Amino acid sequence: EAQVTQNPRYLITVTGKKLTVTCSQNMNHEYMSWYRQDPGLGLRQIYYSMNVEVTDKGDVPEGYKVSRKEKRNFPLILESPSPNQTSLYFCASSLSSGRVYEQYFGPGTRLTVT
Amino acid sequence: AQSVAQPEDQVNVAEGNPLTVKCTYSVSGNPYLFWYVQYPNRGLQFLLKYITGDNLVKGSYGFEAEFNKSQTSFHLKKPSALVSDSALYFCAVRDNLGGYQKVTFGTGTKLQVIP
Repeated sequence: EAQVTQNPRYLITVTGKKLTVTCSQNMNHEYMSWYRQDPGLGLRQIYYSMNVEVTDKGDVPEGYKVSRKEKRNFPLILESPSPNQTSLYFCASSLSSGRVYEQYFGPGTRLTVT
Repeated sequence: AQSVAQPEDQVNVAEGNPLTVKCTYSVSGNPYLFWYVQYPNRGLQFLLKYITGDNLVKGSYGFEAEFNKSQTSFHLKKPSALVSDSALYFCAVRDNLGGYQKVTFGTGTKLQVIP
């Protein structure tokens, strides 16, 4: 089944404790992206990647890191989480070569930072 | 900078009635426009997209959207609402200026279909 998976689905952590949220897709998509969803603000893009070793900042990159060492994986790293990073996070992927494609979204990771 | 506005936080409609969820956009160049739906505790699912061509785009689950360049709008419509259509709907825009694939989402509109 074609899908985007995220782990963990739920995470409660404390301020300053480094964490990683994994994202993996099995559709051989070039493009991958991370979003956060907050009430009243919709989805805001954190980082995106056009292909392996190619990443760039979205609208709200502060406090986050990403890497794209393999085509299928795009982990989101919070080096020192803070309470304002409490949010619902979504990973997404799509084809990107030449045409306009829709994104496939993972099920989301609900992060609480205390 | 590109932007999307969904002016209604919530839309209520009676089952069987037509529904409209509004979206306006701003981009440099020509837009690529998308609608996604989010059911509770789920990720977003693609409904439809406009790239070029016919202004009326048909998508999944009986939804359609009308692209209006002069009004910079891309409203989502359905002739007859179902209770199961109740969900959160997001409009999104991307420009066509090259390989850069930044996508901007609106704040979402909650659709409530009343039995």
